[in-house]
Amino acid sequence: KAGVTQTPRYLIKTRGQQVTLSCSPISGHRSVSWYQQTPGQGLQFLFEYFSETQRNKGNFPGRFSGRQFSNSRSEMNVSTLELGDSALYLCASRQDTDTQYFGPGTRLTVL
Amino acid sequence: EDQVTQSPEALRLQEGESSSLNCSYTVSGLRGLFWYRQDPGKGPEFLFTLYSAGEEKEKERLKATLTKKESFLHITAPKPEDSATYLCAVQATSGTYKYIFGTGTRLKVLA
Repeated sequence: KAGVTQTPRYLIKTRGQQVTLSCSPISGHRSVSWYQQTPGQGLQFLFEYFSETQRNKGNFPGRFSGRQFSNSRSEMNVSTLELGDSALYLCASRQDTDTQYFGPGTRLTVL
Repeated sequence: EDQVTQSPEALRLQEGESSSLNCSYTVSGLRGLFWYRQDPGKGPEFLFTLYSAGEEKEKERLKATLTKKESFLHITAPKPEDSATYLCAVQATSGTYKYIFGTGTRLKVLA
């Protein structure tokens, strides 16, 4: 089976812009979670989608949003980018409630 | 509040020098404990899932064990290619099936 894929792998944006990241889960997996990883904060949970519905949400501002499509693919959007949004954004998928498998991540740099 | 603490934060070992990484957790009810390995700039790679106290799992030079309060990742005769950050996460039985991650242990194995 193919693993979790994320596009793009690298992204450079400027403050105030918005960005959309994409994640394709492992075939058959209905849950997709998003995490932000920075050197100082470690892995921070953003949100989880299961069968097109948001199942869990972390403590991030409303500038961070997501959605999931009927084929389980998910997108994450960040509006009005700030310098502090520079991070590795990771997507993880699982069938339901069990083990998560991570994608390679999208490295976002905000200038 | 559910919490995961990993120690030490960083560890340097000589090649062949065995050691253990610790993951202490506080959770209302444990559904599962997960170990991941992460190389710089990449997504975490799944290693083990443990479900109940007394359970052990092995993979090459790695062995994970679980008690009611903590988990250990034992590394036997490590090699330089074992250098990575090792992440621990727990999943509680209550409601949401969220993962709670520790901040990781950065392992460096010297040749």
